[in-house]
Amino acid sequence: GAGVSQSPSNKVTEKGKDVELRCDPISGHTALYWYRQRLGQGLEFLIYFQGNSAPDKSGLPSDRFSAERTGESVSTLTIQRTQQEDSAVYLCASSSLRGSEQYFGPGTRLTVT
Amino acid sequence: AQSVTQPDIHITVSEGASLELRCNYSYGATPYLFWYVQSPGQGLQLLLKYFSGDTLVQGIKGFEAEFKRSQSSFNLRKPSVHWSDAAEYFCAVGGGDKLIFGTGTRLQVFP
Repeated sequence: GAGVSQSPSNKVTEKGKDVELRCDPISGHTALYWYRQRLGQGLEFLIYFQGNSAPDKSGLPSDRFSAERTGESVSTLTIQRTQQEDSAVYLCASSSLRGSEQYFGPGTRLTVT
Repeated sequence: AQSVTQPDIHITVSEGASLELRCNYSYGATPYLFWYVQSPGQGLQLLLKYFSGDTLVQGIKGFEAEFKRSQSSFNLRKPSVHWSDAAEYFCAVGGGDKLIFGTGTRLQVFP
């Protein structure tokens, strides 16, 4: 595709429910990244994929967070038993090479009520 | 520890005035440096990047930034600001994997 796409664009969920956020990277990009942006703050790194492997999961805030990538393409970020502090914009980015510039999607705004 | 500091949370300038947004970083190796812009409701757009070579880099929309290793800085500049430049600006540093972002500088432009 022309750019990184994410779905849904907005998600409102009740506390305790599970949510899945999807990212479609730019075709051919081998590296994929997830970040979280809380209101009024900078971006917080969550996880990085090289191909389908995740060599760096250091940013995942708790074991309620997990992510996978298949076919060196689509990635899904899953948050189990959502909490109000999970409310944020979740941004996905991809890059053609490890270390090169990252291209960001529009984000998914998650609101936990 | 790796970190990025953007000391100015909010900057207000008049349209046509010059602009400099500050960025200081802490990184153990030679860094890759980036400036991104985020307009309201929009994703992040890359303005410019520094990997190596000439320390003065040109970006889109008339922006430039200068890498100063001795000062661990990568300040963003524009000689004449336009009203459409009002947005949030993020400096980021990386070396191969994740990017580490500053907390951003919100730019407001008055006519």
